[in-house]
Amino acid sequence: GQQVMQIPQYQHVQEGEDFTTYCNSSTTLSNIQWYKQRPGGHPVFLIQLVKSGEVKKQKRLTFQFGEAKKNSSLHITATQTTDVGTYFCAGPSGGSNYKLTFGKGTLLTVNP
Amino acid sequence: GAVVSQHPSRVICKSGTSVKIECRSLDFQATTMFWYRQFPKKSLMLMATSNEGSKATYEQGVEKDKFLINHASLTLSTLTVTSAHPEDSSFYICSAMRDYEQYFGPGTRLTVT
Repeated sequence: GQQVMQIPQYQHVQEGEDFTTYCNSSTTLSNIQWYKQRPGGHPVFLIQLVKSGEVKKQKRLTFQFGEAKKNSSLHITATQTTDVGTYFCAGPSGGSNYKLTFGKGTLLTVNP
Repeated sequence: GAVVSQHPSRVICKSGTSVKIECRSLDFQATTMFWYRQFPKKSLMLMATSNEGSKATYEQGVEKDKFLINHASLTLSTLTVTSAHPEDSSFYICSAMRDYEQYFGPGTRLTVT
């Protein structure tokens, strides 16, 4: 079955440092979504990428979708303590555009 | 907009009893809802897809008789964990689909003693 791999599993940075998490799928994806889950909270939708090579920015967050539509990355510039949480990528699975397979997530901690 | 609630937020039950968890989309209608299970510091594992007015679709390895799902209206899906055992202890999260986005509920922490 489809696998969505994410690295690193954990990342600890000093406030102000940059952070990147990478997502790789075993199959080509029609789209990829990113979610953030704060400690003790639930996943919150961040963004969806659809086009090959697409790059989208949300303030300090930059999302990229690979040319082959099998990998993606999330980059945070100048991290802040509010960025703490687990970042998940997710891709459609089972031939459905609605069911998602989530990566294992990257837990980001930020030292103030 | 796009708020999803779950009830209860926490529940402790004895082994052998059944527990019902409700998932509601508060300000939109959702023909499709999803039920996930999340272990500590782990990813979300899709358990089943709940479809309004029809039977739920379960993922491989998820016992449909163990985890009963009912999606009786466009704003409510319920997950009943039947004859719960300690290994069913987990964080259960639902999501409701609107357009292409999934909106997650706050989750239910189930502890089976």
